[in-house]
Parts: sequence; C-alpha cells; structure tokens
Amino acid sequence: EDKVVQSPLSLVVHEGDTVTLNCSYEVTNFRSLLWYKQEKKAPTFLFMLTSSGIEKKSGRLSSILDKKELFSILNITATQTGDSAVYLCAAGTGTASKLTFGTGTRLQVTL
Amino acid sequence: NAGVTQTPKFQVLKTGQSMTLQCAQDMNHEYMSWYRQDPGMGLRLIHYSVGAGITDQGEVPNGYNVSRSTTEDFPLRLLSAAPSQTSVYFCASSYTQASQPQHFGDGTRLSIL
Repeated sequence: EDKVVQSPLSLVVHEGDTVTLNCSYEVTNFRSLLWYKQEKKAPTFLFMLTSSGIEKKSGRLSSILDKKELFSILNITATQTGDSAVYLCAAGTGTASKLTFGTGTRLQVTL
Repeated sequence: NAGVTQTPKFQVLKTGQSMTLQCAQDMNHEYMSWYRQDPGMGLRLIHYSVGAGITDQGEVPNGYNVSRSTTEDFPLRLLSAAPSQTSVYFCASSYTQASQPQHFGDGTRLSIL
C-alpha cells in the first residue's frame, strides 16, 4: 500500500525563524513528489520534484528530493505570519493515476 | 480565469438523501479527481478520470458515483448519504496525469445529519 508520512504534525515558530518540514514516501513506481500549501480553502501548488538533489526555490521557500532515501524536505526561511498554513506533500506514481497525500504539517508563525 | 469551480460551497443533508456535487474546469485538463478531507486523515482519493468517458475508483469509492461525459465536468454523486460521509470535498484537475501539479477547487463542506 502506498504511504506518505509527514513530520512534524504541527509546529509553532516565531516570525523570522527558519523551519524544515519533512516528507517520507513509499509508493510503487514513484514519479513525482509535490508540495502544496493549504490555508482556509483549496490547496495551492508549491513545488514538483522529480530528480534527486536538485533544489527547487521560490522566494523564501525551497525544497529538495532524495530518491535513494525516499524523502523530501520543505524549507521556509525568515518565516512570516502569512506562512501559517497546513503544508501537504503528495507522491505521484507512473502506473496508477493517483496521488497519495500525507496528513500534512500545520505551521503556525507567531509575532 | 475561473480554474476549478465547485458547487455548492456548503450543504446539509439528512441520512439517506442523495445529492450531486458539481465540479467544472475551464483549463481543458484531461485528468480530474475527487478527494475528501477529514481531520487527521489528509486528502483521500474517491474517484478519478483520465479523460471524457473514462472513470476509475480511488482509495475510498464506496457510496459515491461519478461520470465524465465532457472534458469540463466531473460531478460526484452521493447515492444514499450517511453520517460517515460528513467531510470537506475537493475537486482537482491537472493536464494529463495525477503526478502533475493539480489545481483544486475551493471545496464543498458537507454535513450529514
């Protein structure tokens, strides 16, 4: 059975801190690892990773994939209150047309 | 740009009632899917479609039906609502495959009494 596990489940940090969110996966015929940010409503896409060791970066957010150890991390530097959200990771497979999601990490950034 | 549009946003049903959640996308995406999101469970796939006329079951399909008569629309039907189906439902679409970035609708919050 395909599985994606995220840690920590929740996290409270002060504005300006750097955080690292973890995602490990066990899926058949892995194709991609995707990160989403979910605030009040719909998850919004952040990154898609398909190759090991290549960092994807967008502003203060960055992510990297390790296909040998089967995990990915999402880093957020200089956190702001607007970063408060649930961060979801999902593993996509090549044969089955589905994504398997983790349960998410709830990040709260306080002043 | 409308993206993925879901209706209704909220709905309360009585046990045993049926209803259809609507989902439409205007991006000409081939792949569409329905998820339910419950506390502590993450997003779980109910049904998906890789193109018009093609649908398949996901992880939690029982109690739900789907059809895909057009590329744009992918309705989800609850046949006989049960309290266990109380959840937030999201429709999503992507260009051709689930492993590509998916665009999500704003969700339907459904309560079954």
